[in-house]
Amino acid sequence: NAGVMQNPRHLVRRRGQEARLRCSPMKGHSHVYWYRQLPEEGLKFMVYLQKENIIDESGMPKERFSAEFPKEGPSILRIQQVVRGDSAAYFCASSQDGNYGYTFGSGTRLTVV
Amino acid sequence: AQTVTQSQPEMSVQEAETVTLSCTYDTSESNYYLFWYKQPPSRQMILVIRQEAYKQQNATENRFSVNFQKAAKSFSLKISDSQLGDTAMYFCAFMILWYDMRFGAGTRLTVKP
Repeated sequence: NAGVMQNPRHLVRRRGQEARLRCSPMKGHSHVYWYRQLPEEGLKFMVYLQKENIIDESGMPKERFSAEFPKEGPSILRIQQVVRGDSAAYFCASSQDGNYGYTFGSGTRLTVV
Repeated sequence: AQTVTQSQPEMSVQEAETVTLSCTYDTSESNYYLFWYKQPPSRQMILVIRQEAYKQQNATENRFSVNFQKAAKSFSLKISDSQLGDTAMYFCAFMILWYDMRFGAGTRLTVKP
């Protein structure tokens, strides 16, 4: 079992570019969660998805950010027109049926230059 | 508002000794879950221990145990026989909605040889 796989591990983007972060949940998991971690802070909830559905995106900025979890393939967190304030570590987690204590990936560190 | 407070930004302990990390939280709910996560320099979020609020018995996982005081809304983590590999950031987390985990700001623990 490969666990939750996130790629890339590091991503550098110039201001105004788009960032695409990918997350493959654990085998058999149909629930995906995205969290953001700013430097020296804890993780903050962004969005919760099930296959082809966004269940709760209350933690995600209204503009420039979007997330999807298609029927086939990984979940994608997309940030358009990145700004320096988007620099952070983005973590994905997955669970099988919504049970608590889900499994985290190793995160993607986004740096906007 | 559901908040989690970790009042110790940094702590250190000698190898083989015992250390306690503090965590308090605020909620009006009666049923919820509490967690401690470890984040080593690899950035991986590792579940250390979890506690259901309706259980009075304190959770224990090998050298890790919690002191859960529901009335005081306190959830401290005790690490016994500290090892060098315990050096990491430790995050206390709290969950009511089973997909929205609220994290504290973390405590950086250093185990000294």
